[in-house]
Amino acid sequence: EAGVAQSPRYKIIEKRQSVAFWCNPISGHATLYWYQQILGQGPKLLIQFQNNGVVDDSQLPKDRFSAERLKGVDSTLKIQPAKLEDSAVYLCASSFAAAAGFETQYFGPGTRLLVL
Amino acid sequence: GDSVTQMEGPVTLSEEAFLTINCTYTATGYPSLFWYVQYPGEGLQLLLKATKADDKGSNKGFEATYRKETTSFHLEKGSVQVSDSAVYFCALRGDTGFQKLVFGTGTRLLVSP
Repeated sequence: EAGVAQSPRYKIIEKRQSVAFWCNPISGHATLYWYQQILGQGPKLLIQFQNNGVVDDSQLPKDRFSAERLKGVDSTLKIQPAKLEDSAVYLCASSFAAAAGFETQYFGPGTRLLVL
Repeated sequence: GDSVTQMEGPVTLSEEAFLTINCTYTATGYPSLFWYVQYPGEGLQLLLKATKADDKGSNKGFEATYRKETTSFHLEKGSVQVSDSAVYFCALRGDTGFQKLVFGTGTRLLVSP
């Protein structure tokens, strides 16, 4: 089966500009996750969707980050305006459901963002 | 809150050496435990998992046993190859509600011929 798709793979912007990332999860996966992975650190969850509803966005910097998952399939993560500290790899993952502790998350290749 | 602690890297080994990467966790209840691997230039891949105490996850010669008494999930391999060079992440997911994956900081493994 096809994996999680993300685009673009790389993006370079200047601070205060805006940027958007796109994710297409594995077909049939109800749960979608966006993670931020700063160099040298483990991924940190930004937002989790169950179908098209948000179930956890506690670590999303809502003053500059936004995300949506229209129709419960594809998702877009936006940063506006970007800061230098937003330089990271943004990972999208999906799972069949979010049953407690048992569903494997499958990760996309990530989008590497560099803010200058 | 939930957390994962991994040994710092890099871990440098010669081919065919024995590998151990330590991982301990803090969590309430009965979390599921995972090891993910990130090869150079690629995304995270699930390597193995264990969903309850005393379970052993295994894949590609790697093993890890869920030890609730020591809150550990150490990764082991009997004979590493150059192709195993990657960053390894230990992670947990809680057992209630929509629990997110909590990752450790990762351990880089370098295997030389």
